[in-house]
Amino acid sequence: SQQGEEDPQALSIQEGENATMNCSYKTSINNLQWYRQNSGRGLVHLILIRSNEREKHSGRLRVTLDTSKKSSSLLITASRAADTASYFCATDVNDYKLSFGAGTTVTVRA
Amino acid sequence: GAGVSQSPSNKVTEKGKDVELRCDPISGHTALYWYRQSLGQGLEFLIYFQGNSAPDKSGLPSDRFSAERTGGSVSTLTIQRTQQEDSAVYLCASSFQEVYGYTFGSGTRLTVV
Repeated sequence: SQQGEEDPQALSIQEGENATMNCSYKTSINNLQWYRQNSGRGLVHLILIRSNEREKHSGRLRVTLDTSKKSSSLLITASRAADTASYFCATDVNDYKLSFGAGTTVTVRA
Repeated sequence: GAGVSQSPSNKVTEKGKDVELRCDPISGHTALYWYRQSLGQGLEFLIYFQGNSAPDKSGLPSDRFSAERTGGSVSTLTIQRTQQEDSAVYLCASSFQEVYGYTFGSGTRLTVV
């Protein structure tokens, strides 16, 4: 069963705008990760945030984590056409396994 | 290698036939995972290898599915007597330190007709 759930399922924005997506999970975690998937193939690891961190940045990406609400958000600033993809959050089920949500599909319009 | 390599990238097979999917992980990555992704869905865990052993096979959907890993490197996922519901993208991932960031291959898109 999936631990994380992304919201919204789909998002369409204009190039240059920001995109925000959320992830909620059910059980306590040690870390939460975000991945991107282009064209339904391999996933690319974007960022990992540990349970004792509240915010993390990587380039145009900003991730927040609220363990009290069991939720995380991914913000992509100044979006580009190349950001069109599906984005997945993943939480550690144990010390070796990740559980992935169903993903948010982001479309960036030129 | 530089990345995780999966072959074939696409496979069309007739219902009832056996298929083998191959994964070549990043050199030195001891952990290897197989996931399955059906159309528009999230990733479904299949199996985890640490070295050549598989401590967690809990995600394999039926006894038609099996996997092995040899030399702590290449892994093969075998599906016997394929069914139409086996159609999906099969993704392999490896990592150096378990959950701290997986590197995925590009997947094998399996279509059972």
